[in-house]
Amino acid sequence: GAVVSQHPSRVICKSGTSVKIECRSLDFQATTMFWYRQFPKQSLMLMATSNEGSKATYEQGVEKDKFLINHASLTLSTLTVTSAHPEDSSFYICSAITTGERGAVETQYFGPGTRLLVL
Amino acid sequence: GQNIDQPTEMTATEGAIVQINCTYQTSGFNGLFWYQQHAGEAPTFLSYNVLDGLEEKGRFSSFLSRSKGYSYLLLKELQMKDSASYLCAVGDSNYQLIWGAGTKLIIKP
Repeated sequence: GAVVSQHPSRVICKSGTSVKIECRSLDFQATTMFWYRQFPKQSLMLMATSNEGSKATYEQGVEKDKFLINHASLTLSTLTVTSAHPEDSSFYICSAITTGERGAVETQYFGPGTRLLVL
Repeated sequence: GQNIDQPTEMTATEGAIVQINCTYQTSGFNGLFWYQQHAGEAPTFLSYNVLDGLEEKGRFSSFLSRSKGYSYLLLKELQMKDSASYLCAVGDSNYQLIWGAGTKLIIKP
């Protein structure tokens, strides 16, 4: 089945630094990828929709200048947390969708997630 | 507004059967998904229903009634490794997924 990888799996950084997280679809092309954030014991919160070759669409309340998303190819999307602060510490998960006829979402495959800790 | 409801927590016994319900109200409907998520890990896909009825996959089955805005995930022959959160998600008219808060399933020996 389809596989999505994420790198790094875990990162610890100092407050004020920037962190880049990569999301790759390994055996399929993903025109659309999603970035989620998940706090402990809570459901997934969609941050943004990343479309290959165009600007990401951010959900309300998500700062686009802080969470930079680049979807440069059909298999790679990156999320950069700029000037990270302790409150940005979270579990960041990407996903990629496969679509059927008329663009209907068939299945959403998730990366393993990246645990970010900002000191 | 868009809303997905599922129980917060359920407890079941190893070897038994458990049914996790999900009700939804969304703008449009393009399929209902069930995901399993173990603590500290990303969700993994379990099932997808777009037509009414029951889809069976081994020990797991998922049911959908679009007229009632209702789905359930049925887990049979429960094993300790089935202890996890189970997330219900619905594709809306824009094909984005609307997520439920998840049901934490606790399996006891």
